[in-house]
Amino acid sequence: EAGVTQSPTHLIKTRGQQATLRCSPISGHTSVYWYQQALGLGLQFLLWYDEGEERNRGNFPPRFSGRQFPNYSSELNVNALELEDSALYLCASSSQHNTGNTEAFFGQGTRLTVV
Amino acid sequence: KNQVEQSPQSLIILEGKNCTLQCNYTVSPFSNLRWYKQDTGRGPVSLTIMTFSENTKSNGRYTATLDADTKQSSLHITASQLSDSASYICVVTSSGGSYIPTFGRGTSLIVHP
Repeated sequence: EAGVTQSPTHLIKTRGQQATLRCSPISGHTSVYWYQQALGLGLQFLLWYDEGEERNRGNFPPRFSGRQFPNYSSELNVNALELEDSALYLCASSSQHNTGNTEAFFGQGTRLTVV
Repeated sequence: KNQVEQSPQSLIILEGKNCTLQCNYTVSPFSNLRWYKQDTGRGPVSLTIMTFSENTKSNGRYTATLDADTKQSSLHITASQLSDSASYICVVTSSGGSYIPTFGRGTSLIVHP
């Protein structure tokens, strides 16, 4: 069974551009979470999608947005890129989000570099 | 505010030795606590998950403990191997509201031959 897949693996953008990151959850999982992990820092929660709707978002500006498609895959869009957006962006998926006891499985991440 | 604090920030040990990583949290109400292992540049992989009623859980050479009264957890690694070199992240999920997990910053473990 395929795990959580993210694309691209690496992405290099210039300041002010837009970046689109993609995530395919494990088959059967309806929840997708996005996290930012800047160098030397812990994971920071970005967005949570479930059943196609945004359920919660972390403390990030509106230029971080996303969506979840009917097949539960998800996109993370970052507009007006800033140098500080350079980080590893991780996607995780889980099944029964409302119990809180189900495991979230992580993808390998997209390394975004803004120059 | 929900917080998860891990210590030490980094740890260097010799291959074959044991080590213990600490996690203190203030997340409330508590649902579960997970330990993840994250290799450099990769996604985290779950090692253990514990709920309120569990105070110890093992996964091979990894043993996690939980003291829900003092809100502390530890991850003990036995007979360390070079492949144990990674970041170990403690994650606590609250049962109130939307079950968003709170991540610690991780302990960076380096195992030397």
